[in-house]
Amino acid sequence: GAVVSQHPSRVICKSGTSVKIECRSLDFQATTMFWYRQFPKKSLMLMATSNEGSKATYEQGVEKDKFLINHASLTLSTLTVTSAHPEDSSFYICSARAGTSISETQYFGPGTRLLVL
Amino acid sequence: SQQGEEDPQALSIQEGENATMNCSYKTSINNLQWYRQNSGRGLVHLILIRSNEREKHSGRLRVTLDTSKKSSSLLITASRAADTASYFCATDGNQFYFGTGTSLTVIP
Repeated sequence: GAVVSQHPSRVICKSGTSVKIECRSLDFQATTMFWYRQFPKKSLMLMATSNEGSKATYEQGVEKDKFLINHASLTLSTLTVTSAHPEDSSFYICSARAGTSISETQYFGPGTRLLVL
Repeated sequence: SQQGEEDPQALSIQEGENATMNCSYKTSINNLQWYRQNSGRGLVHLILIRSNEREKHSGRLRVTLDTSKKSSSLLITASRAADTASYFCATDGNQFYFGTGTSLTVIP
């Protein structure tokens, strides 16, 4: 199946710093990428949807200025957690979809575990 | 907002037994997908069932969909210890939304 990678897999940072997480589709062009957040023992929460070349659409309650999403190419999307705080510690997962049809399969990355001290 | 809800939240069975998980959702969908997630890992897509399908098989997996009841079930037959994971259903309206997951433990 299609492969989606994320980098880094784990990151520990100090409070107040910014962290960038990359999501890459390795063997297909991802028109649409999604960013999810997962709290311990909880379900995934969709944070935002990004289409290549356009601004991301954020879910209600997700701060745009806090979680900057860039989808500059068909194989790369980045999530930057700005001025991170301990409450931002979480597991962040991206997914990618080849087309814009909602009936197409999303392929998920392995996730990035962020710990903010 | 999240709209998929799985039950049970946790399930523990012996190896070789069948495991059934259910998912209910609230609004109309185009398709429903099941995913598994091993502890601390990313999601793995298992199976997609479209709204005009009632049942789908993939290996030891069987998924049913009842759009009139807005529910789906995932059956894993002849379970193995390696099936231990969390299982999520995801539905789409404009986006995919995940349920809270069923934590399955298969005891060797």
